[in-house]
Amino acid sequence: GAGVSQSPRYKVAKRGQDVALRCDPISGHVSLFWYQQALGQGPEFLTYFQNEAQLDKSGLPSDRFFAERPEGSVSTLKIQRTQQEDSAVYLCASSPTGPTEAFFGQGTRLTVV
Amino acid sequence: AQSVAQPEDQVNVAEGNPLTVKCTYSVSGNPYLFWYVQYPNRGLQFLLKYITGDNLVKGSYGFEAEFNKSQTSFHLKKPSALVSDSALYFCAVRDGDTGKLIFGQGTTLQVKP
Repeated sequence: GAGVSQSPRYKVAKRGQDVALRCDPISGHVSLFWYQQALGQGPEFLTYFQNEAQLDKSGLPSDRFFAERPEGSVSTLKIQRTQQEDSAVYLCASSPTGPTEAFFGQGTRLTVV
Repeated sequence: AQSVAQPEDQVNVAEGNPLTVKCTYSVSGNPYLFWYVQYPNRGLQFLLKYITGDNLVKGSYGFEAEFNKSQTSFHLKKPSALVSDSALYFCAVRDGDTGKLIFGQGTTLQVKP
């Protein structure tokens, strides 16, 4: 696969449950981004990695949200003690260095019940 | 702070007619501007970008956009709309430091036969 791959595509979690969302970026892409997209809204930035370094996590809505990219490739977004307001589509994107476009995965739709 | 605005929630056009989806931006410094399209239950697909150079940018699927510095606009256009162009369109500006994208709220394009 040449594109960004995210899994699972759909996740239903009971309130209070922990979830982990995976992102496989395009091979060789240095930059990796996570976005949250609420229904009918534009994507909102969550966090940014350059290789394995998390350089910006200013968009994470609470300390229940945690992201990692330990080897500079695959990334995991973890949400602890999920709440109903966490229900959204979580998008991952990767890009090479420079002012180029980002390539998005298909997203993970999280529904907290 | 950098931002983009899409003043129209929805644009309706007849197939074969020209279409325009509006976007205005507010940035400090030189803007890096992007258009993405999102089909239902899909991730975002890159259409085109303005980094520097010609004000008229040509992109995928026959779309183009005109960068207008004096009006701080980056409107998306297509000379002849197709029913298959019906989707959600997002304008975005790139943060120069991190590369994160700041998205507008999106415009739903409806092309009727």
